Amino acid sequence: ILNVEQSPQSLHVQEGDSTNFTCSFPSSNFYALHWYRWETAKSPEALFVMTLNGDEKKKGRISATLNTKEGYSYLYIKGSQPEDSATYLCAFQAGNTPLVFGKGTRLSVIA
Amino acid sequence: DVKVTQSSRYLVKRTGEKVFLECVQDMDHENMFWYRQDPGLGLRLIYFSYDVKMKEKGDIPEGYSVSREKKERFSLILESASTNQTSMYLCATTSAQSYEQYFGPGTRLTVT
Repeated sequence: ILNVEQSPQSLHVQEGDSTNFTCSFPSSNFYALHWYRWETAKSPEALFVMTLNGDEKKKGRISATLNTKEGYSYLYIKGSQPEDSATYLCAFQAGNTPLVFGKGTRLSVIA
Repeated sequence: DVKVTQSSRYLVKRTGEKVFLECVQDMDHENMFWYRQDPGLGLRLIYFSYDVKMKEKGDIPEGYSVSREKKERFSLILESASTNQTSMYLCATTSAQSYEQYFGPGTRLTVT
């Protein structure tokens, strides 16, 4: 079974702080790396799908980078807001196979 | 917008009951997945299907079966529910041409 690690497990930040999380995944047989945001009582929502080494993607205040050679991705949130509070999941895809999810990073933004 | 619906948001069943969880998608996607989510364990894949009448075991298929008689519907079956199957169950779908996976709202199942 493939291992996808996310750190930290949980995080509490003040409103306005910038923060980042890490996703580590196997560096072999890479196909895609996915980031999802999962808010309480809602469905997980896709943030980014990244396929190329060196990819950088941005959506508003959230951005992500990808290093497939060393097997990690960073998710950055600039100027955190209370509505950013959620669990952030990364998922690794090897070849055209089902996603393997990490355990997530639970972010709480305190106003 | 892709819509993925699940038959119930909350369900309470007794040990030994047969339980059906239904998932329906309206975007003609080929691929459908069932996951369960437990605290500290993340999303774990139970079963998936890449086509009608096709099914593949995921990482934790024990105690479950699935049915895909129509492209839009993927059912998860607990043949004899047990308390360790108390969990949040999520259905997801994706097209064969796309990376992005779309999730349903989840069913929180409690087995007493």
